[in-house]
Amino acid sequence: AQKITQTQPGMFVQEKEAVTLDCTYDTSDPSYGLFWYKQPSSGEMIFLIYQGSYDQQNATEGRYSLNFQKARKSANLVISASQLGDSAMYFCAMRDVTSGTYKYIFGTGTRLKVLA
Amino acid sequence: EAQVTQNPRYLITVTGKKLTVTCSQNMNHEYMSWYRQDPGLGLRQIYYSMNVEVTDKGDVPEGYKVSRKEKRNFPLILESPSPNQTSLYFCASSFSPDSYEQYFGPGTRLTVT
Repeated sequence: AQKITQTQPGMFVQEKEAVTLDCTYDTSDPSYGLFWYKQPSSGEMIFLIYQGSYDQQNATEGRYSLNFQKARKSANLVISASQLGDSAMYFCAMRDVTSGTYKYIFGTGTRLKVLA
Repeated sequence: EAQVTQNPRYLITVTGKKLTVTCSQNMNHEYMSWYRQDPGLGLRQIYYSMNVEVTDKGDVPEGYKVSRKEKRNFPLILESPSPNQTSLYFCASSFSPDSYEQYFGPGTRLTVT
């Protein structure tokens, strides 16, 4: 069965430093998508970045990049130059598409605190 | 303004009293989905709908029903709520099932006593 694992319940990072949030996934399907979402304390869910299983290059969106290591089944989120506004809960998610379904599986999340 | 709306935002109810949480999007999106968020468990998908004709179960469909009679609406129905359905519920939509981005509603906090 598909599974997403986020092993870091909480992390601290100093403002302006880079931080890596870990995500590993498990699937036997060759076609899948990987996502990261941000949930600030206000509660809304914000899409950050997407990586397809067949994409050759790592996805980047501004200060966010996804370190995709297919053989290791990892999809870590890298935030460069952290800002106070980056303090939030971050969720890694996977979408399975091979079987014709479009189900999403989320990890348990990592709470990031950026220190001034 | 393009958005996903949910109502109510907060609800306290009693065990067994049927309730409906509405979800509506104004972006002409094909794909809609319901999630519940619980501490330590992340988000779990309840049901999703790829279009008006296709609805399927997510990972935790027990105790829930959905309906997609029209494209913009995707209500979540709890016919006999129980305390273990106390949770934060999110509706989400995307342009198509394989779109990169899901747009989430603001959430509905449900308490079942």
